[in-house]
Amino acid sequence: DIVMTQSPDSLAVSLGERATINCKSSQSVSYSPSTKNYLAWYQQKPGQPPKLLIYWASARESGVPDRFSGSGSGTDFTLTISSLQAEDVAVYYCQQYYSTSITFGQGTRLEIK
Amino acid sequence: EAQLLESGGDLVQPGGSLRLSCAASGFTFSSYAMTWVRQAPGKGLEWVSGIISGGGANTYYADSVKGRFTISRDNSQNILYLQMNSLRAEDTAVYYCARDAKVFDYWGQGTLVTVSS
Repeated sequence: DIVMTQSPDSLAVSLGERATINCKSSQSVSYSPSTKNYLAWYQQKPGQPPKLLIYWASARESGVPDRFSGSGSGTDFTLTISSLQAEDVAVYYCQQYYSTSITFGQGTRLEIK
Repeated sequence: EAQLLESGGDLVQPGGSLRLSCAASGFTFSSYAMTWVRQAPGKGLEWVSGIISGGGANTYYADSVKGRFTISRDNSQNILYLQMNSLRAEDTAVYYCARDAKVFDYWGQGTLVTVSS
């Protein structure tokens, strides 16, 4: 299975500041002919199911605020929140869908400093 | 808008069986692959099983549940199932169903399965 490793495990950022979460896969999740990256990001707030934020590594899901952005390719990816809002407190997960055996990162807990 | 509603979670003894259901509405159920993801208490997300669209001829399982769990679908009733046999304590989790459009774009609220004597 492809192992997804996120860093850091937890993060505290001041309101209005930038938050950056990293995700590294144990093998490439990019399909070369199309250069598509099979990487998604989800947000999960307490007591709620996960919510899809980003797919194809950088495409924002409909309705997701533009302060959320994704980048990266191959094995290294980043989720960036450009200006942290109080409602962004959550656990964030990366997920690869390159393989039929889907795997998630362990999660990164984002808090307000 | 797509909606998913899981049911069937319960307290069950180790070695027991349980069948989860996920009722879908608001989209053409048969046209989408579907998936089950679980989350143990206080832990992260773990993909469990997936089934392709249409007749669901192709199914996929995590190694941790292969041979014990069976995913299926009833397109006439718009219901996704997860039959869970030989349950273990480590299967204790909230089980979510999700629509699989390559990524999981709609999720249910989850149903809790507790495996304990």
